[in-house]
Amino acid sequence: SAVISQKPSRDICQRGTSLTIQCQVDSQVTMMFWYRQQPGQSLTLIATANQGSEATYESGFVIDKFPISRPNLTFSTLTVSNMSPEDSSIYLCSVEEQGNQPQHFGDGTRLSIL
Amino acid sequence: QKEVEQNSGPLSVPEGAIASLNCTYSDRVSQSFFWYRQYSGKSPELIMSIYSNGDKEDGRFTAQLNKASQYVSLLIRDSQPSDSATYLCAVYQTRDEKLTFGTGTRLTIIP
Repeated sequence: SAVISQKPSRDICQRGTSLTIQCQVDSQVTMMFWYRQQPGQSLTLIATANQGSEATYESGFVIDKFPISRPNLTFSTLTVSNMSPEDSSIYLCSVEEQGNQPQHFGDGTRLSIL
Repeated sequence: QKEVEQNSGPLSVPEGAIASLNCTYSDRVSQSFFWYRQYSGKSPELIMSIYSNGDKEDGRFTAQLNKASQYVSLLIRDSQPSDSATYLCAVYQTRDEKLTFGTGTRLTIIP
């Protein structure tokens, strides 16, 4: 399966700042996704990153708060904007190499907001 | 009713025994089902995929799917302490074309 590199692996940020998380894949993939996993919880899909167009956001997530880019078939970024302590979570990038194939996850970014 | 339901556990199983993890789902037309293992502090790792009714075996792992009952399970034979982790059931829901995760079952293998 594809090798997925996500960075940073962790960060501690101040309230009101923004952080951009990068996801790089070693091969072209059909689909890229961004998830959030809050402490002790399961995974919640934030959005599907679409190559060359605006991301598709799930209910409860908006572009102003979580802008996403996907300039090509191997790279995507998620920005967490104007952070508050409630944004403290693990953010995960996942990829689907081909249609209807299982998703594989990057190592995640552990984000803490003070 | 949650879309994908799992018992949260914790489930404790003696080393060498069979661990049985269960998952039910609400979208009757779902076609793809996955089990992920997540160690503490790590990201989810795919361990099994199943797409048709019946059993699918891979080493010590067996996935079982019953679409009529909307039920998928994971059996781990000869459980090892290294199997201690949270197991996430994921269902690709045709209705909204996305992968939906259960809340996970925390499994502890007791030496």
